[in-house]
Amino acid sequence: AQSVTQLGSHVSVSEGALVLLRCNYSSSVPPYLFWYVQYPNQGLQLLLKYTSAATLVKGINGFEAEFKKSETSFHLTKPSAHMSDAAEYFCAVSRSNTDKLIFGTGTRLQVFP
Amino acid sequence: EAEVAQSPRYKITEKSQAVAFWCDPISGHATLYWYRQILGQGPELLVQFQDESVVDDSQLPKDRFSAERLKGVDSTLKIQPAELGDSAMYLCASSGGQASYEQYFGPGTRLTVT
Repeated sequence: AQSVTQLGSHVSVSEGALVLLRCNYSSSVPPYLFWYVQYPNQGLQLLLKYTSAATLVKGINGFEAEFKKSETSFHLTKPSAHMSDAAEYFCAVSRSNTDKLIFGTGTRLQVFP
Repeated sequence: EAEVAQSPRYKITEKSQAVAFWCDPISGHATLYWYRQILGQGPELLVQFQDESVVDDSQLPKDRFSAERLKGVDSTLKIQPAELGDSAMYLCASSGGQASYEQYFGPGTRLTVT
């Protein structure tokens, strides 16, 4: 069975500070891992994905994530937060390129001026 | 840029009434997913279609929910009768084409059952 745990339901940072959102996964097969962002009353937008190529994955809007098999982690980072980054972020895992996504419970990012 | 379309965006209905949601995936995408997102939680899959066939509906409450994808293009999700616990965001996603593993999500339908 697959699962995702996102540590911290809320994260607050100052504008310009480092953003770190944590995600740990459990999977019996090599996982496909994703980070999505959701703005209020909107659908989900893909930030980045890991599919067994490079372990450091770069996404849109300056975000990146590193796949660490030994730690079963896929944490999301951004060097400098912007006010527009305030949103809900979801980590997700899948068994294959067509299988359903299994999401974590989400982390709400607040950015203060 | 092609997008997944959903309607309506918002729906308020009374308990025991019937309600339906519509999704039009990105053209050419063979796989279509319906997810339900309860407030404060991550989305959970209700049903997955490959063309017009159901691939996974293990989490669909079949006593009240039904889904179809006639002709393998657009899809309808129906709830009858609606219950208070059905209040949630219903998200449709599609995948296919060259980046077959990327799921593109629509804007969702926010359902409130009173």
